Amino acid sequence: QLQLQESGPGLVKPSETLSLTCTVSGGSISSGTYYWGWIRQPPGKGLEWIGSIYYSGNTRYNPSLESRVTISVDTSRNQFSLKLSSVTAADTAVYYCTRRPRRDGFNWFDPWGQGTLVIVSS
Amino acid sequence: DIQMTQSPSSLSASVGDRVTITCRASQSISVYLNWYQQKPGKAPKLLIYGATSLQSGVPSRFSGSGSGTDFTLTISSLQPEDFATYYCQQSYSTPLFGPGTKVDVK
Repeated sequence: QLQLQESGPGLVKPSETLSLTCTVSGGSISSGTYYWGWIRQPPGKGLEWIGSIYYSGNTRYNPSLESRVTISVDTSRNQFSLKLSSVTAADTAVYYCTRRPRRDGFNWFDPWGQGTLVIVSS
Repeated sequence: DIQMTQSPSSLSASVGDRVTITCRASQSISVYLNWYQQKPGKAPKLLIYGATSLQSGVPSRFSGSGSGTDFTLTISSLQPEDFATYYCQQSYSTPLFGPGTKVDVK
C-alpha cells in the first residue's frame, strides 16, 4: 500500500525558506503515471494546491505561489521536496504531500501524507 | 480563473439523515470534479472522482452527481463517522478546492 510521509522543520523564521521532504514507500516515484505534489491548509482554513512534479523533473505550480516555489525530485531516494522562499506568517499551514494521476482533467489527489504543521514565526 | 463555491457552508444533521452538499463552478468543468472528506487533525480522503465515481473502499451511501457547473455530493443515510468537513475540487484546470462544508451533529 502506497504511503507518503512529510518531514522537515516545524518552525521557520519570516523571510527564510521553508523546506519539506516527502518520502514515498510501498511504490516507486518513477512509476511514470503520476504527478507528486504538495497541498497546504492554514489553520482553520481551506485547502490550497501548491504544485506538482513528474519523476522526470517536469513541474507545475500554482500561479499564486509560482515565484516562491520550487519542487524537486530524488528518484534514488524515492523522495520529492518543497522549497518555499521568503515566507511570512501567511505561509503558516499544515503541508500535505500527495499524488495525482498524470492526465489532464480526469485526475484527483490520492493518497495523502498525514501532514506536517509549519509555523512561520521569529 | 475558475471559482468554486459550496453550499451550505455548514449544516447540522442527525444520524440516518439524507445529506446533500452542492458545489458550483464559475464556468463549465465537464465532469472534472472530485469530493474529499476531512476529519479534524487528519488528511483529506478522496470519496468521489470524476463527479460520479466512488473511490475504492468508500461506502456506497456516498454518491456524486452533476456535470458542467453544478455538482452534488449525497450521503444517503448519515452515519456517526460521517461528521466531517467536505471539500469539492475541480481538476479541469489549475487544481482548486471549494471552501468546504462542515457537517456536524444536530
